[in-house]
Amino acid sequence: DTEVTQTPKHLVMGMTNKKSLKCEQHMGHRAMYWYKQKAKKPPELMFVYSYEKLSINESVPSRFSPECPNSSLLNLHLHALQPEDSALYLCASSHPNRRANEKLFFGSGTQLSVL
Amino acid sequence: AQTVTQSQPEMSVQEAETVTLSCTYDTSESDYYLFWYKQPPSRQMILVIRQEAYKQQNATENRFSVNFQKAAKSFSLKISDSQLGDAAMYFCAYRRKIYNQGGKLIFGQGTELSVKP
Repeated sequence: DTEVTQTPKHLVMGMTNKKSLKCEQHMGHRAMYWYKQKAKKPPELMFVYSYEKLSINESVPSRFSPECPNSSLLNLHLHALQPEDSALYLCASSHPNRRANEKLFFGSGTQLSVL
Repeated sequence: AQTVTQSQPEMSVQEAETVTLSCTYDTSESDYYLFWYKQPPSRQMILVIRQEAYKQQNATENRFSVNFQKAAKSFSLKISDSQLGDAAMYFCAYRRKIYNQGGKLIFGQGTELSVKP
């Protein structure tokens, strides 16, 4: 299994809603990432988890709350989002303790629309 | 801080022809990784090719090859025998070597490649 699975694929939410994005991998990777991508722009790093601990937070607003409950699962909890938060949210994973650490495996993303 | 620059927002190539996408980067590190990622309309990020900085030999993957010039901090991608399926946004990316934790992947602004039949 060489996949990173993200659900849902599409999400529409109001500014007062609470929702969660889910990311799962079964490749034994111990580093997991959230990226945000606007159309025609490069992905921007949001968070990195290494061995289930938050190792990088790129000054992301608190309305985005990441969670890594186990080594296979990564969540992004969303609350009180703004319309400008509408974007594609990409999850990725890698092996942090092997030579293959340089290779990130990306999911197909969740397209989020905030109304 | 490391930066990655792609100076060609858009490129076009005729089917079966060859095209080269440019990328320059800036870093004070001596050992790192460089990548080219492809993002088709499906928006799935697909790794095309990677290069380790300490390896002088240019990486090759089938029709894709790179010209890695470490001193010039240049990392261009050559696509030979272009196919319609090569049409996509291409991102050049940099990552410093780091172990035992996840590391940041820094992307360029992207080059949108169109392939004409």
